[in-house]
Amino acid sequence: DAGVTQSPTHLIKTRGQHVTLRCSPISGHKSVSWYQQVLGQGPQFIFQYYEKEERGRGNFPDRFSARQFPNYSSELNVNALLLGDSALYLCASSGGQGSFTDTQYFGPGTRLTVL
Amino acid sequence: SQKIEQNSEALNIQEGKTATLTCNYTNYSPAYLQWYRQDPGRGPVFLLLIRENEKEKRKERLKVTFDTTLKQSLFHITASQPADSATYLCALTMNNNAGNMLTFGGGTRLMVKP
Repeated sequence: DAGVTQSPTHLIKTRGQHVTLRCSPISGHKSVSWYQQVLGQGPQFIFQYYEKEERGRGNFPDRFSARQFPNYSSELNVNALLLGDSALYLCASSGGQGSFTDTQYFGPGTRLTVL
Repeated sequence: SQKIEQNSEALNIQEGKTATLTCNYTNYSPAYLQWYRQDPGRGPVFLLLIRENEKEKRKERLKVTFDTTLKQSLFHITASQPADSATYLCALTMNNNAGNMLTFGGGTRLMVKP
């Protein structure tokens, strides 16, 4: 069975540009969460979506937005990129009712570099 | 606000010994706490979840304890192997005004030497 997939694997952008990251959850999973992981730190929660509705939002500026599609895949959008947005962006999916007691399955991440 | 602290210094141990990693949190006690393993360049992998009414939980060579009085969880790997070398993250669920969120500590890097 395929795990969580993310695309692209790597991305290089310049300051001020916009980026879209994509995530496909494990088949049957309806919850998708996004995290930002800066080198040497733990993942930081950005958003959770369940059944296409936003369930949770971390302390990130409005430049960050996300959505979930009817097939439960998800996109994370970041506008007006800053150097500090350079990080590994992780997506996690889970089954059940979208509770964090459900096992979170993480994808391999998208490495974003902002120059 | 809730803070999660893990020892940022790497833990170096000899193969066969028991590794013990610490996760401390401030403020309120969460209903449950999770531990993950992360290898370089990869996403975290879920290992164990322990609830507030469980003092200890085991899975093969792994053992997690949860002390809500000390506001601390300990993660033990017995009979450690070089393949156990990785970064270990603890995480707990917090609620902000926008809903629930899973919050991670900074992780502790474990190096098991043969």
